Amino acid sequence: QLQESGPGLVKSSETLSLTCTVSGGSISSSSFYWGWIRQPPGKGLEWIGSVYFSGNTHYNPSLKSRVTISVDTSKTQFSLQLRSVTAADTAVYYCARLLHGNSGDSWGQGSLVTVSS
Amino acid sequence: DIQMTQSPSSLSASIGDRVTITCRASQSISSYLNWYQQKPGKAPNLLIYDVSTLHSGVPSRFSGSGSGTDFTLTISSLQPEDLAIYYCQQSYSLPLTFGGGTKVEIK
Repeated sequence: QLQESGPGLVKSSETLSLTCTVSGGSISSSSFYWGWIRQPPGKGLEWIGSVYFSGNTHYNPSLKSRVTISVDTSKTQFSLQLRSVTAADTAVYYCARLLHGNSGDSWGQGSLVTVSS
Repeated sequence: DIQMTQSPSSLSASIGDRVTITCRASQSISSYLNWYQQKPGKAPNLLIYDVSTLHSGVPSRFSGSGSGTDFTLTISSLQPEDLAIYYCQQSYSLPLTFGGGTKVEIK
């Protein structure tokens, strides 16, 4: 299971920080990447980036300059930081387990983050 | 980036109908195509990966086909619980990208 946690309200120009806690399985499995995907209200899905248990990361070029994804295997958690947020970053943020880095076979329930001015 | 285009954007069908959703990639993605179902207010759920492999627990009325750039998700007999938005996603190359979604409504 995956569970997102973090503030639901972030001020414009500040940093959005979310953590995903993984339970019921090993975050250090070689079969999975761990990813963040977001969905603005009423819109489609956008992949933000993924991290491997070793710390290797991949980011969406459209967000790469503002994003850091990290993993803490001792806490079975991985985290998202998105800097310099604007209203366009308002979305439901999902964490997901990506089988071989490809398909999201398990998702968190999602965390709505609203960026306020 | 590889662009994924789904059609139609929405459809309305009756219980028991056969429903087909199409997904087209802007370049060949071989067999790296996945389908998700998102019910209202919920996270997406993986239905099919690698074009045609059903994820664990997915009913057999769902099936997928295609290769290269053109792919199809078929629901053989629409059920009330299939009310949802369906997304395709390519995993051929980064960044991972999704189609715009197809909303399936029940008549």
